[in-house]
Amino acid sequence: DGGITQSPKYLFRKEGQNVTLSCEQNLNHDAMYWYRQDPGQGLRLIYYSQIVNDFQKGDIAEGYSVSREKKESFPLTVTSAQKNPTAFYLCASSPQGPRAFFGQGTRLTVV
Amino acid sequence: QKEVEQDPGPLSVPEGAIVSLNCTYSNSAFQYFMWYRQYSRKGPELLMYTYSSGNKEDGRFTAQVDKSSKYISLFIRDSQPSDSATYLCAMSANQAGTALIFGKGTTLSVSS
Repeated sequence: DGGITQSPKYLFRKEGQNVTLSCEQNLNHDAMYWYRQDPGQGLRLIYYSQIVNDFQKGDIAEGYSVSREKKESFPLTVTSAQKNPTAFYLCASSPQGPRAFFGQGTRLTVV
Repeated sequence: QKEVEQDPGPLSVPEGAIVSLNCTYSNSAFQYFMWYRQYSRKGPELLMYTYSSGNKEDGRFTAQVDKSSKYISLFIRDSQPSDSATYLCAMSANQAGTALIFGKGTTLSVSS
């Protein structure tokens, strides 16, 4: 089945630890995105990539890093520099045009 | 003024009611308008996608765009308990998905 797969579904991070969230798509979409969703807030763009080996910061990139070595994969690393990482993280991809298609999300909690 | 305003609700209706969900926006350059449905603890699902002004219908769902008033609506006819979810509006001024701006979402509850 075509789609966007995010893993893990739940992730726990200790203070000072880096963690990596996985996002894989088999839709052959060029563009991929990472959003953060907090209660009562809209989706906020962290990073996006429109082609392999290229990515740009979104509105809230501080404390996050990404890579885009393959078209299918766009992992997000939440670094220790991100002071408030507890949130619901959503990966999306897009064919040509503004429509974005989302994965099922990863819920990250700091313990 | 925020770029996209959406009443968070919650909105509670009985089964079979007609539901109206709305967003207002301030950027007159927005041309592409979307509605997403998000169930609890799941990713958003694209429901409706429209370009510029006008109406678009898909089954029980109708999306309306009034660019002169900077106002978009999603109507749900014959609402069902399975429609209970958070509905997010999103809009963009250009083809690039990078400029997609989301509302904060309206939570809808349909009771049987």
